[in-house]
Amino acid sequence: DSGVTQTPKHLITATGQRVTLRCSPRSGDLSVYWYQQSLDQGLQFLIQYYNGEERAKGNILERFSAQQFPDLHSELNLSSLELGDSALYFCASSATEDYGYTFGSGTRLTVV
Amino acid sequence: AQTVTQSQPEMSVQEAETVTLSCTYDTSESDYYLFWYKQPPSRQMILVIRQEAYKQQNATENRFSVNFQKAAKSFSLKISDSQLGDAAMYFCAYRLRRTSGSRLTFGEGTQLTVNP
Repeated sequence: DSGVTQTPKHLITATGQRVTLRCSPRSGDLSVYWYQQSLDQGLQFLIQYYNGEERAKGNILERFSAQQFPDLHSELNLSSLELGDSALYFCASSATEDYGYTFGSGTRLTVV
Repeated sequence: AQTVTQSQPEMSVQEAETVTLSCTYDTSESDYYLFWYKQPPSRQMILVIRQEAYKQQNATENRFSVNFQKAAKSFSLKISDSQLGDAAMYFCAYRLRRTSGSRLTFGEGTQLTVNP
């Protein structure tokens, strides 16, 4: 157990639907990062939150949004889903000065 | 923008032998970190080794070591005495040193096969 918890582990949904992925960071970590990994692809940075505030944005589609709550857990909302959104979505967290990331085990999203 | 390049999509090694995975990166910054992550078939991202850019000494973690050449912007991973469990996708990654954290930029990955 890495200390970063992602739920659900698997999700199958239809095109056009909306889903929410949840991430609980490691205790004490203020930063949460979301990454997308499509089949046989590298990891693409989506968005970072630091202590409840959006800190950096990457290649995140307008149909996607995220937030970090006061208890530091984060949610990634994906709407108007398309087949191409099928991927493994990782959450990671880090402490303020820590140079390491801790990754969750990912949520595998399948859009049919 | 920072970029990370792994020029070897696939590598293979015999069990107990040594293999080196290559990585180059491009940045205008001087204070950063470099990492190698391993992703086995379970898809879990596992940190293998990390290197601070301000340290000249190459990092070592048991059978894993790096060759960090800052001027050349090169960061290779050497795996000694390869084991079957080392078979995985390996990602090189770069991260700026920031107090509020910063994103990891990943390379495309190198798929390592270990032959018995």
